[in-house]
Amino acid sequence: GEDVEQSLFLSVREGDSSVINCTYTDSSSTYLYWYKQEPGAGLQLLTYIFSNMDMKQDQRLTVLLNKKDKHLSLRIADTQTGDSAIYFCAESDPLSGGSNYKLTFGKGTLLTVNP
Amino acid sequence: DTEVTQTPKHLVMGMTNKKSLKCEQHMGHRAMYWYKQKAKKPPELMFVYSYEKLSINESVPSRFSPECPNSSLLNLHLHALQPEDSALYLCASSRIRGLSEQFFGPGTRLTVL
Repeated sequence: GEDVEQSLFLSVREGDSSVINCTYTDSSSTYLYWYKQEPGAGLQLLTYIFSNMDMKQDQRLTVLLNKKDKHLSLRIADTQTGDSAIYFCAESDPLSGGSNYKLTFGKGTLLTVNP
Repeated sequence: DTEVTQTPKHLVMGMTNKKSLKCEQHMGHRAMYWYKQKAKKPPELMFVYSYEKLSINESVPSRFSPECPNSSLLNLHLHALQPEDSALYLCASSRIRGLSEQFFGPGTRLTVL
């Protein structure tokens, strides 16, 4: 079945770059997503990448995809204390019938930004 | 409007109570989802509705009963819950095809006593 792995913790200093890594197993995934969850809140979609892309940049966020190694990363430039949260990567797999997609989430990486 | 709203924000109920969680979106999405999230874990899919019809039930116990009265609303009816059902319940919505990224609501924090 599908499996998504992430390291559980990352601690950085304010102003540094953060890199959160993720590996996945399903090579048929069409889209891969990064979600952010602050304490007690829902999930906020940060960015996504289509499986035929290698890189996507969106302001401070850079997503790199190595499809051969099934490795996805999220780089946050100039990390701020407000970036402290849990970051989930997720792959989308079509559900039966193909009209909906199931998100398979990694366990989440807790990013702590120290002043 | 890219917002999914959920009410109530917090709910405390006894094991014999009946309560409902509500979710609303006005993005024109025709797919809606219920997830359950335990502390320090990723969300787990419970139900999927497509075009207001239940398309996926991930083997959820019958004490959870979903309902989709129209394309904007999704309910989750709760009855005879157990303390282990205490969790954050998240609703999400998406387009049906293409880039169907899911937009999540803030969740309802449920405590079962």
